[in-house]
Amino acid sequence: AQTVTQSQPEMSVQEAETVTLSCTYDTSENNYYLFWYKQPPSRQMILVIRQEAYKQQNATENRFSVNFQKAAKSFSLKISDSQLGDTAMYFCALEGGSEKLVFGKGTKLTVNP
Amino acid sequence: DADVTQTPRNRITKTGKRIMLECSQTKGHDRMYWYRQDPGLGLRLIYYSFDVKDINKGEISDGYSVSRQAQAKFSLSLESAIPNQTALYFCATSDRTGTVQETQYFGPGTRLLVL
Repeated sequence: AQTVTQSQPEMSVQEAETVTLSCTYDTSENNYYLFWYKQPPSRQMILVIRQEAYKQQNATENRFSVNFQKAAKSFSLKISDSQLGDTAMYFCALEGGSEKLVFGKGTKLTVNP
Repeated sequence: DADVTQTPRNRITKTGKRIMLECSQTKGHDRMYWYRQDPGLGLRLIYYSFDVKDINKGEISDGYSVSRQAQAKFSLSLESAIPNQTALYFCATSDRTGTVQETQYFGPGTRLLVL
């Protein structure tokens, strides 16, 4: 069975600072995909970043980057220069060869002015 | 226009009623999914379809049924709604290019309240 664990139910950060959200996962697949989705108060699920397991280079999208540690099965999200608009629920998700996503329970991030 | 649309966006219904949630997409994707989101539980897969003739149960399919009317349309039905089906429901679509699984794109969600 594939599982995704987000151990931080809530986090907060000051505007302009950096914050890291944690995610660990378990899968027996060798080829898989990892995602971070953002859900703002509007409730829309928005893709933040995607990582293919076969790529050693960590994915980056503007202020968002990941630290992908394949051996440790860890996939953390770093948000640099946090903005008020980053306030949202963040979900880590795994697609492990079944073409189905398994989600973590989410981390609620609040960016304070 | 949005690529993945869901109707209705909000719905209140009573216990025992049949209700249908609809999803349409203009992305041309083959794969469509229905998820349910409950507070503190993340998203859980209800049903998924890889093409019009392929429908599969997900993690929590009991009490739900689906219909893939066309490549672009995937409906979720609650045959006899019960209060613990109160949740936020998402439709998603994706595609597969060779051996590469593409990203899933989500609709705006339907908030359902069963009284």
